[in-house]
Amino acid sequence: SQQGEEDPQALSIQEGENATMNCSYKTSINNLQWYRQNSGRGLVHLILIRSNEREKHSGRLRVTLDTSKKSSSLLITASRAADTASYFCATDPLTGTYKYIFGTGTRLKVLA
Amino acid sequence: NAGVMQNPRHLVRRRGQEARLRCSPMKGHSHVYWYRQLPEEGLKFMVYLQKENIIDESGMPKERFSAEFPKEGPSILRIQQVVRGDSAAYFCASSPPTRGGGTEAFFGQGTRLTVV
Repeated sequence: SQQGEEDPQALSIQEGENATMNCSYKTSINNLQWYRQNSGRGLVHLILIRSNEREKHSGRLRVTLDTSKKSSSLLITASRAADTASYFCATDPLTGTYKYIFGTGTRLKVLA
Repeated sequence: NAGVMQNPRHLVRRRGQEARLRCSPMKGHSHVYWYRQLPEEGLKFMVYLQKENIIDESGMPKERFSAEFPKEGPSILRIQQVVRGDSAAYFCASSPPTRGGGTEAFFGQGTRLTVV
């Protein structure tokens, strides 16, 4: 099964509200990254959090990592219509191979 | 510094033809990864290459698919005798050679393959 599982699969909110997405994974990791993908487009890197970090901020984004629970969350504050996209977490597992495992994504829709 | 460049952006092939997808990593990056994304799904790892070496191809289908990253030139993902099920978006990512707690992977815009 996929290393990363995002939750919820789909989320619809009003502009100005906060959006929270969660990611769970199975094995120990070096780091975890969040990406955004607009419909039919490429991936945009949002933020990387290392296994020894617990929280990171970047603009309106806040990412937390709980390695004991093997989970991460992405919070987007004061959402905008332009935030409408799919959001994926990707883990860099401690397997000795250097590859990223993606979850199935959360489809976020921000209504104006 | 140009990002990861993939071409073509869109590729249409008839069943049975060959598809060649190209990926030029970012300058200074020697690690390349290929991923496939089926509609409404996440990205699935296919193969990880360094210059002239395949490091991990555990996600590659056993037949018809091959990848290379020559000393000179872009990385190539080759799909022979394409079938409709190969229709997907294929993404390439690159990262620098150092590890040290991990670095971010930079993704290209993808090649959308349609098999008709």
